[in-house]
Order: sequence, then structure tokens, then C-alpha cells
Amino acid sequence: QQQVKQSPQSLIVQKGGISIINCAYENTAFDYFPWYQQFPGKGPALLIAIRPDVSEKKEGRFTISFNKSAKQFSLHIMDSQPGDSATYFCAASIRSQGGKLIFGQGTELSVKP
Amino acid sequence: DAGVTQSPTHLIKTRGQQVTLRCSPKSGHDTVSWYQQALGQGPQFIFQYYEEEERQRGNFPDRFSGHQFPNYSSELNVNALLLGDSALYLCASSLVGRGPYEQYFGPGTRLTVT
Repeated sequence: QQQVKQSPQSLIVQKGGISIINCAYENTAFDYFPWYQQFPGKGPALLIAIRPDVSEKKEGRFTISFNKSAKQFSLHIMDSQPGDSATYFCAASIRSQGGKLIFGQGTELSVKP
Repeated sequence: DAGVTQSPTHLIKTRGQQVTLRCSPKSGHDTVSWYQQALGQGPQFIFQYYEEEERQRGNFPDRFSGHQFPNYSSELNVNALLLGDSALYLCASSLVGRGPYEQYFGPGTRLTVT
């Protein structure tokens, strides 16, 4: 029940295209859903996050869509660029329990020029 | 504004040895969490420290222990190293009381156990 399942495992997108990564969870107590971007040899960097009382959040080219009834959320990267090539992780936490993050397995994104 | 820093960057140890990893949180943050990231996997939560006490713990054995100092910096200690402890160890800092507990990660320490 503590798992977060992420798909796809890898994704190849052409420059200018839309990258879509999906995550699903079981624990309805989760109330904070961040996305992290990780480049090789680096730590994860917080990209964007959403709370379950909001169905969509947009920051620049990055958008999180949240479907509470389906217990799913997704990351959309618009106008994908080669510099977006990285591994993306979704995560979930329960804020009242100190914010321990449960991560998905990761999606390796490659944006081709 | 300094971000989260970790030391050392890389470390090679022999099975059975002990290791200490260090973390300095982002300026203004008071909570430190440690994660283990195996190759090709998402980070796994080890434990979290706030006010110099372990506040939460993940599914890791007692060989993993930690400490937080009055200046909020933290150490992760691993005893009796196993080959399976080889991983990237990440430290994340956050500010308690300011939801939603945004956690900022350091660059990690790459531990190799031979």
C-alpha cells in the first residue's frame, strides 16, 4: 500500500514533442506528490509538486495532472528539449508524518534532436 | 544561498568495515532525511532527523544509524558493510512547520563496497 508505480520505464521523444510520465498509488493518505529530475551523477532536483485538492498545476513547460478518484498523477513536459534528457521520479508522502518520500521506479527520458 | 552539501563524493570500503557519511542542510533548513539509491532504482528512505532526534525510520537494519548536530548537519553511519550496501546515499533537507515539506537533495555520496 506504500508503493508508487511509475511508467514507462523509458521514453524517447522528439525535440518539440510532449513527454508524458504516469504514476499510480494505493495509499489514499498520501497528500503531497512531487516530481524530481535527476541527471547522471547528481542528486534529484525538485521540479514541481501538487496537493490532492488541485487537479492540475503548471510551471513553465512542466504540468502535473492529478486524478484523485483514479489515484493517478502524471507529468507532462511540453516542447521537450534535449536538455530535458534525464531520469524523472514521481514520489508521494504524508505531510503530517514528516514528509517521508516514497519514490516511483523512475523513467529515463531521452529527447532526440 | 548554499544548497545541500555532502561529503565525501566517493568512497570505497571493504565488506565488514564501517563508514560515516556527512551532510550539511540547505541554509535555513532544520530537518535532514537520508535515502539510499541503488543503481537504476528510486531512492529508498532510511531515516529522518529533526531536533537532533530520529523522527522516522524506513525499513533498514540497525546497522544504519545517524546523528544530527545542533547546527542541523547530520551523519549517516553504516556498520558491518555488506556488498549490497553499495549505492548512492542521498541527503535531503527541509523545513519543518512549512508545508508541504519540500525536500531538497544533495549530490550524494557514491559508496562502493568490495
